[in-house]
Amino acid sequence: EPEVTQTPSHQVTQMGQEVILRCVPISNHLYFYWYRQILGQKVEFLVSFYNNEISEKSEIFDDQFSVERPDGSNFTLKIRSTKLEDSAMYFCASSEAGLTEAFFGQGTRLTVV
Amino acid sequence: AQKVTQAQTEISVVEKEDVTLDCVYETRDTTYYLFWYKQPPSGELVFLIRRNSFDEQNEISGRYSWNFQKSTSSFNFTITASQVVDSAVYFCALSEGTSGTYKYIFGTGTRLKVLA
Repeated sequence: EPEVTQTPSHQVTQMGQEVILRCVPISNHLYFYWYRQILGQKVEFLVSFYNNEISEKSEIFDDQFSVERPDGSNFTLKIRSTKLEDSAMYFCASSEAGLTEAFFGQGTRLTVV
Repeated sequence: AQKVTQAQTEISVVEKEDVTLDCVYETRDTTYYLFWYKQPPSGELVFLIRRNSFDEQNEISGRYSWNFQKSTSSFNFTITASQVVDSAVYFCALSEGTSGTYKYIFGTGTRLKVLA
């Protein structure tokens, strides 16, 4: 069964460092998303991406964040200069169409020390 | 504004009991979609169901059933004869159909503990 794959599963980084979280969405899906979940809290929307551009971003998604689809399969989230408060589980998701259900990857746990 | 409320923070039941997880939503759109996701201890988010605002028919899938009532803006989830493997955090989510962005607004989740 097709699934969304995220790497790495866990990343530890020092404050101020850049990190890139990687995702391989389901192959025939056209809409891509990043969400994050701070430990024990709810899942929050970061950004949606369609047709090679950002379609919406939340207030969390500031200038330190960027997304890219560098080739036909990968979808990446970059955090330029990590802060302690960026520590969270980051989920990538994809959907076939805008209003169909999104399938989530297993998440990348980012720990900023 | 969009909002999803899951007032039950944590529920504990004994195996084989039925349990209902509540979800109340707010939206100004007439076209919207509601979802339930399960987050087991391993952390992934598992899709359970999607319902659009024009379809109020209740749905049953095995031990799971969903009750959608537009009049009370609720989309409740019932697990019949609960099992230990049902222990997880369950999230209700809302997506507005006319916004063009399709982002999900999640509730705060309900942690279900099923005791053997």
